[in-house]
Amino acid sequence: DAGITQSPRHKVTETGTPVTLRCHQTENHRYMYWYRQDPGHGLRLIHYSYGVKDTDKGEVSDGYSVSRSKTEDFLLTLESATSSQTSVYFCAISESSTRGGTEAFFGQGTRLTVV
Amino acid sequence: TQLLEQSPQFLSIQEGENLTVYCNSSSVFSSLQWYRQEPGEGPVLLVTVVTGGEVKKLKRLTFQFGDARKDSSLHITAAQPGDTGLYLCAAQTGANNLFFGTGTRLTVIP
Repeated sequence: DAGITQSPRHKVTETGTPVTLRCHQTENHRYMYWYRQDPGHGLRLIHYSYGVKDTDKGEVSDGYSVSRSKTEDFLLTLESATSSQTSVYFCAISESSTRGGTEAFFGQGTRLTVV
Repeated sequence: TQLLEQSPQFLSIQEGENLTVYCNSSSVFSSLQWYRQEPGEGPVLLVTVVTGGEVKKLKRLTFQFGDARKDSSLHITAAQPGDTGLYLCAAQTGANNLFFGTGTRLTVIP
């Protein structure tokens, strides 16, 4: 258990409204990630963070922003939600494997529906 | 273009049968991971392979990393209903990012 909590777990919102999803971790991991998961696309990286106030874009970052003001919290904001952002959102942390490479540990996901 | 192509996309088999799913790429990776995801949950790491030609076993699951470190396979022996789920492969790109394949959705029918 990597101690990752996502909130809310489910949300329905209207097109054009701002939405913020929260990811909280308890084990002081440096790297945190936001992915979205859609049928036929697998998991796609939205944004990631490599430290407090240090973030970078992933492959599907348009329409999303993130903030990390403290190690334990990584926020994902949809400034003006659109129906194409209806998805399941996963937060993850990563650890370096003792054998090499990076291994990810995920939260339970947030199901977001934009109507 | 997908960096990691997984096949088949869907697989439905009877309990007790064997199966193999594949993860292919034209890129070379320093390591590759396999994850399993159950409905309503996040993916859970099964294994990491790092050496070309490496074979790792996890009970009835056998993972192999290709000699050229471009592909991997997952073989399940005598599948059980508890093996049902979405199987994802992932490889590291950049300094600390993981890129995921589209997954194989496995259903094992009792």
